Amino acid sequence: DSGVTQTPKHLITATGQRVTLRCSPRSGDLSVYWYQQSLDQGLQFLIQYYNGEERAKGNILERFSAQQFPDLHSELNLSSLELGDSALYFCASSAGSNEKLFFGSGTQLSVL
Amino acid sequence: DAKTTQPPSMDCAEGRAANLPCNHSTISGNEYVYWYRQIHSQGPQYIIHGLKNNETNEMASLIITEDRKSSTLILPHATLRDTAVYYCIVRDLGNNDMRFGAGTRLTVKP
Repeated sequence: DSGVTQTPKHLITATGQRVTLRCSPRSGDLSVYWYQQSLDQGLQFLIQYYNGEERAKGNILERFSAQQFPDLHSELNLSSLELGDSALYFCASSAGSNEKLFFGSGTQLSVL
Repeated sequence: DAKTTQPPSMDCAEGRAANLPCNHSTISGNEYVYWYRQIHSQGPQYIIHGLKNNETNEMASLIITEDRKSSTLILPHATLRDTAVYYCIVRDLGNNDMRFGAGTRLTVKP
C-alpha cells in the first residue's frame, strides 16, 4: 500500500459527460502528480501541483483541469468526454517537488 | 520526448540476475537516473535512483557508467513476481515533472 488513495476505482460514463477523479496523497506529501495511461500511449504526464500551486504541465488537454486543495487532496476534472479518454488515470504524491513518487492504484475510466 | 532508450522486452530465468540496460547519452550533470516498475496495471513502484555512484537497496542495484551515458538495473535473484514493465527515467532536480518512456517488459520464467 503506497498510502496514496484514489477514488473511484472504476468509472463508466458516456461521451460528452464530465467526471471528477479524486486523489488523497500520502500523509505529509505536498506534491501531487496526475498521469494518464492508455494502451497505445503509455504513461503520460498530465500535471503536477505543489502545496496548492501548479508546478508543471504535461500533455493535458484543455478539456481537462486539476486543482489541489488546502488539505492537499487533488481532483482531476475531465469534461466533454470522448471515447479516446478511456484510460487508467494515476495519481502520485511526493514529499517535495523533486522527491521520489508514490503512486495510487488508479481510476479506470471507461467512456462509452 | 523521453531522454532514455530501453529494449522493449527481456526474459530472465527465475533465480538468475536480471540486468536491465538503459541508455541516456544526453544526460546532463545535474540529472538523476530513476528506475520504477509497473506490475500489470498497478501504479508504478519506485525502485532506486542515483546520480553518478552505484547504488544498492533492498530491491535492486543501480550501476551507472563513469561517463553517465548508460546505466543498468540489476535484480540479483529474479522471481516470478518481478515480471513487470521497468522504466528508466532521467530527471533534473530543477524539473518538477517525471516523464515515463515505453520501458522494458521483463518476463521472469520458471
